[in-house]
Amino acid sequence: DAGVIQSPRHEVTEMGQEVTLRCKPISGHDYLFWYRQTMMRGLELLIYFNNNVPIDDSGMPEDRFSAKMPNASFSTLKIQPSEPRDSAVYFCASSLSGRILYEQYFGPGTRLTVT
Amino acid sequence: DQQVKQNSPSLSVQEGRISILNCDYTNSMFDYFLWYKKYPAEGPTFLISISSIKDKNEDGRFTVFLNKSAKHLSLHIVPSQPGDSAVYFCAASLSGSARQLTFGSGTQLTVLP
Repeated sequence: DAGVIQSPRHEVTEMGQEVTLRCKPISGHDYLFWYRQTMMRGLELLIYFNNNVPIDDSGMPEDRFSAKMPNASFSTLKIQPSEPRDSAVYFCASSLSGRILYEQYFGPGTRLTVT
Repeated sequence: DQQVKQNSPSLSVQEGRISILNCDYTNSMFDYFLWYKKYPAEGPTFLISISSIKDKNEDGRFTVFLNKSAKHLSLHIVPSQPGDSAVYFCAASLSGSARQLTFGSGTQLTVLP
């Protein structure tokens, strides 16, 4: 299996611009998670989906952030407008229900720099 | 308020010796705990886990210990190898929380040859 795929791997943008991050979960996985990693706050859960439906978006920092999952194989995280404090590494992860273990499988991340 | 804490941002150990990474949690309702390892420019990868009904789980060189009364878990790596150098995150989950994980801030382990 290809694992979780994220694109782009690096994104540099100017303040005020719209940024869209993309994720393809592992085929067959029914949970999808978006995380943000910063030095100050570590790994924070932003939002997660089950069967393409958003379940908990309480971690989304502001209305500037939005996430969608139009189908089982694709999700986006959008920031509009972007700000310098959004600079971080954004990870997507997926998991499969019905398993005893709770491990999530992470993608390689997108490093976002907002100048 | 951080519910999962890793108070040591870094740890250096000599190759062949034991590495002990620590993690504390505040929510007594957590009932499942995991350790993830992260190399630079990669996503975290699952390493080992433990249910709250156990106090120890072993997988090769890796052992996780859970002390529920102290709300403390630790990861032991014996013997440590240079390839173990990475950031280690502990994570915790609530039963019925639909697999939501709360992560600590991570500990950078450096194994010196």
